[in-house]
Amino acid sequence: ETGVTQSPTHLIKTRGQQVTLRCSSQSGHNTVSWYQQALGQGPQFIFQYYREEENGRGNFPPRFSGLQFPNYSSELNVNALELDDSALYLCASSLGRWNTEAFFGQGTRLTVV
Amino acid sequence: DQQVKQNSPSLSVQEGRISILNCDYTNSMFDYFLWYKKYPAEGPTFLISISSIKDKNEDGRFTVFLNKSAKHLSLHIVPSQPGDSAVYFCAATGGSQGNLIFGKGTKLSVKP
Repeated sequence: ETGVTQSPTHLIKTRGQQVTLRCSSQSGHNTVSWYQQALGQGPQFIFQYYREEENGRGNFPPRFSGLQFPNYSSELNVNALELDDSALYLCASSLGRWNTEAFFGQGTRLTVV
Repeated sequence: DQQVKQNSPSLSVQEGRISILNCDYTNSMFDYFLWYKKYPAEGPTFLISISSIKDKNEDGRFTVFLNKSAKHLSLHIVPSQPGDSAVYFCAATGGSQGNLIFGKGTKLSVKP
C-alpha cells in the first residue's frame, strides 16, 4: 500500500508566475483534498475532488484551480502568484467524500519572491 | 471566525507524565473530530479520531475525550515520551462539509 506522495517538495517562484503542484493519492482512495498551511497556522481547506469532480471549495480565489485524474491523482494550479501564496501546500487522500480518515502527503513548500 | 480553536500554542511536559491537549469548537454541525501530529518538514499524521456519538476513544497511549455540551475535546497522552514532541492539530468535519477544519495547533515538548 503506497502512501500519499507530493511533488515537488520545494519550489521557488516569482510573483506573477504560475505553478502546478502534484499529488498521488493513497492506493484505493478516490477523494483528494488540498490545504494551504501558512506559517504558524493550521491547514486551510482549498478544495476537494471526489471521483474527478470538484466537491467543495474553501475561501480561495479562482486563480487556485485543480484537477483530479482517472487514477485519482491530482494537481493544484495557482495563477498570478502573490507573495502571500508562500506556504506549505498539503494534499490529503481519503475514501469517500467525508474526510473521516484523511491521510496527508509530506507537502510542497512554495516560496514566492 | 475560527470554528476550531486550540488556545494553547505550546505545552511542555516531563517524560512519563500526562500530556493534555485541548480543543474547542463552535459549529454544532461538526460530528467527527480528529487529531493529527506533525513533525517539521513532514505532513500531518493521523493519530486518533472520535465520532460525536461517543465521548471517549482510546488507542494505546492516546485517548480522546469529547464533551459535546461544552463543545470541547481533549487528547491525553500517557505516558508522554520525547518522541511525542511535535505540533498537534485538532480537526473537525461534519454537516454538509466533507473537508476538515483545523485549529492552529499546539506544540508539545516532552523533556527527558
